[in-house]
Amino acid sequence: KQEVTQIPAALSVPEGENLVLNCSFTDSAIYNLQWFRQDPGKGLTSLLLIQSSQREQTSGRLNASLDKSSGRSTLYIAASQPGDSATYLCALHGGATNKLIFGTGTLLAVQP
Amino acid sequence: DARVTQTPRHKVTEMGQEVTMRCQPILGHNTVFWYRQTMMQGLELLAYFRNRAPLDDSGMPKDRFSAEMPDATLATLKIQPSEPRDSAVYFCASGLVGGANQETQYFGPGTRLLVL
Repeated sequence: KQEVTQIPAALSVPEGENLVLNCSFTDSAIYNLQWFRQDPGKGLTSLLLIQSSQREQTSGRLNASLDKSSGRSTLYIAASQPGDSATYLCALHGGATNKLIFGTGTLLAVQP
Repeated sequence: DARVTQTPRHKVTEMGQEVTMRCQPILGHNTVFWYRQTMMQGLELLAYFRNRAPLDDSGMPKDRFSAEMPDATLATLKIQPSEPRDSAVYFCASGLVGGANQETQYFGPGTRLLVL
């Protein structure tokens, strides 16, 4: 059974700092991996999607990498801003069913 | 600005009552998902539809939960009878398999359910 873990569970950084969020998974037979952001009391917003054949994806200040062999993905946020404060979730697509298996989440607080 | 809508946004009910949650997927999307989020379990997939047909509801307690898509614009999730342990935020998401960004799922704002 696929298990997805995110470390750290919570992170507080000063504004402007670069940071890395980690996502680990136990079964490397994944279809793709997606990073989401969730604001308090809100739904999830998709940030980046990495296909299993790709190594990384970039969108603005965000860069996500994928290393299937080691069962890891990282989300890099450059020059963090208070508006980046949210919970970040990684999720794996296990195959053609399009089912998502979510990680435990990292709660990020960027201090002004 | 196409988005997934869910109603109600909040629901407080007493144990034993029926609860119906509704979702309107993005027009043209052919997949619909129901998720439940709790502090203890995180986000869990309850049911999954493609072209209105249920493909996977293995994550859903069958004795009290039911999910349907009466038509392409409406998905429902019912709990009968409801129990306090059902208290959670229920999210609906939709996507388009076969099109651009086909694996991206778009989430609604959720229904926050409290069963007393």
